[in-house]
Amino acid sequence: NAGVTQTPKFRVLKTGQSMTLLCAQDMNHEYMYWYRQDPGMGLRLIHYSVGEGTTAKGEVPDGYNVSRLKKQNFLLGLESAAPSQTSVYFCASSYGRHNEKLFFGSGTQLSVL
Amino acid sequence: GENVEQHPSTLSVQEGDSAVIKCTYSDSASNYFPWYKQELGKRPQLIIDIRSNVGEKKDQRIAVTLNKTAKHFSLHITETQPEDSAVYFCAASRSDKLIFGTGTRLQVFP
Repeated sequence: NAGVTQTPKFRVLKTGQSMTLLCAQDMNHEYMYWYRQDPGMGLRLIHYSVGEGTTAKGEVPDGYNVSRLKKQNFLLGLESAAPSQTSVYFCASSYGRHNEKLFFGSGTQLSVL
Repeated sequence: GENVEQHPSTLSVQEGDSAVIKCTYSDSASNYFPWYKQELGKRPQLIIDIRSNVGEKKDQRIAVTLNKTAKHFSLHITETQPEDSAVYFCAASRSDKLIFGTGTRLQVFP
């Protein structure tokens, strides 16, 4: 099993460009999450999903959109990238209870110039 | 909403010594407290977790203690080894959101 796979691993955008980050999990997990990690600020939740077809806002949702059309995939979109969105993005999934025992992907380093 | 504070931000210990990382939380309704370890350039990985109905949990060289009255919990690593060097994150959760602390960089010197 691959676990949680994120693509791409690295990306450089210009301000105003759009992009989509893909997260795929092969563990049949119900819950999926998108976090961003910035130096000195830990991990902050952007959006999450408690099941196929559902999404909800986290701590820092502004400037991002998500979709969960299939159970195994969770997409994070940036419609108009800003330098403040330069960060490392982690996808995670979990089984059992919401927010418990998260399995993280390997991360996407995004730079917005 | 929940707020989680973590101390210290950096911690250096000699191999074989113990390391303690402390976290406090604000929401008394939080009932789940995990700890994640993130090695340099890698993904965070769950190392231990505890629920609010338990005061202490151990797994080999690591243990977590929880004081619900004071709203703080701690990670204890005994007999530290160089491979314990990493950033450790605490977190607290009710049913809706999982809030992370800002992390502790642990360095274990041989």
